[in-house]
Amino acid sequence: RKEVEQDPGPFNVPEGATVAFNCTYSNSASQSFFWYRQDCRKEPKLLMSVYSSGNEDGRFTAQLNRASQYISLLIRDSKLSDSATYLCVVNPYNAGKSTFGDGTTLTVKP
Amino acid sequence: GAVVSQHPSWVICKSGTSVKIECRSLDFQATTMFWYRQFPKQSLMLMATSNEGSKATYEQGVEKDKFLINHASLTLSTLTVTSAHPEDSSFYICSAHPRLAGVYEQYFGPGTRLTVT
Repeated sequence: RKEVEQDPGPFNVPEGATVAFNCTYSNSASQSFFWYRQDCRKEPKLLMSVYSSGNEDGRFTAQLNRASQYISLLIRDSKLSDSATYLCVVNPYNAGKSTFGDGTTLTVKP
Repeated sequence: GAVVSQHPSWVICKSGTSVKIECRSLDFQATTMFWYRQFPKQSLMLMATSNEGSKATYEQGVEKDKFLINHASLTLSTLTVTSAHPEDSSFYICSAHPRLAGVYEQYFGPGTRLTVT
């Protein structure tokens, strides 16, 4: 079993749709959690950090459930520019080596 | 946000030659940097953890004599691919943790696309 597992993709949604991604992690001692986005042939860029009960940034909401060991990312009112691969990242301790999920690909269509 | 640069952004080299890739944290110090490799349509694969002033820690299956890592300062880590072969062609990305209390995110360099002919 992988340490970090993400929803298999791809997700193809129309503009304006709401889409949610889930990610589960196996190490219960994990301390910090992030969502990154990666565009084709580019480096990953930090989208959101998820530290405790979750947080919201505009159309994006990230939630953390420590008891069930999963984090989620909700994107509301999808835009064409949201098309990318979304990576779930988990750190076993706060400044240590991260474990990446395989990513979920989102395509937002007109 | 924190800025990480990589140089070169792309390189083409012949089989058997060595290629050095630099990773710099431009506006922060990083005691730890990470080197990843990504093949097309695949996920990031951690190759090694670069620690300033000490030896790098390599992931299982990564040859330390082939992928030489040097982290000589708090703002620079280098990855040298020695005796490169076509199967080493990949997208190499570095990342760094800012050395600041309460900052746990990694910031990635723009990547180096290596093609070995």
